Amino acid sequence: DAGVTQSPTHLIKTRGQQVTLRCSPKSGHDTVSWYQQALGQGPQFIFQYYEEEERQRGNFPDRFSGHQFPNYSSELNVNALLLGDSALYLCASTRGGFGYEQYFGPGTRLTVT
Amino acid sequence: GQQLNQSPQSMFIQEGEDVSMNCTSSSIFNTWLWYKQDPGEGPVLLIALYKAGELTSNGRLTAQFGITRKDSFLNISASIPSDVGIYFCAGQGKGSNYKLTFGKGTLLTVNP
Repeated sequence: DAGVTQSPTHLIKTRGQQVTLRCSPKSGHDTVSWYQQALGQGPQFIFQYYEEEERQRGNFPDRFSGHQFPNYSSELNVNALLLGDSALYLCASTRGGFGYEQYFGPGTRLTVT
Repeated sequence: GQQLNQSPQSMFIQEGEDVSMNCTSSSIFNTWLWYKQDPGEGPVLLIALYKAGELTSNGRLTAQFGITRKDSFLNISASIPSDVGIYFCAGQGKGSNYKLTFGKGTLLTVNP
């Protein structure tokens, strides 16, 4: 049973650049959420995708955008990177359209210099 | 917005001891979940709670959904070295079916 996978594992970008992170949900799951986890903090909800639509969004600027593909995989895009965007980006998946029991991937560590 | 206060911030215990940690909210939550995160990894779901007053166990872990729906507790019995990690509570609030709100975590250290 394949769990949630994310790529890449680590990424280093320069301020002002753009980045794309990728996520494949757990087998049988159709809903993907993205979270940002700063050092020493709990994960913060960015947005959730279901049926290829953004269904709910947290308190993040429009520089953060996403996409869900027909096979339920998802991308997170961040434009005009700031130093404060450095964090662990986590993808979580669940099934059935609700956010209960979200299962997380290992994350992508983004460093902005 | 919804905020979760998790305590204690950190704990240092001896192997074999029992551990308790809790989470409180300023607003009502419909679902409470407890996760454990190891360094460099994503959070792993330990226990999910859906009803006020519910008490659920997973091995040596026991969690409770508070009667007021504004708090939850996690207990670990007979701790072992592999219990080391950061424990997070997370909740789903009314009108927010899709997102989880997380606490800041409790760092658990177990001395063998």
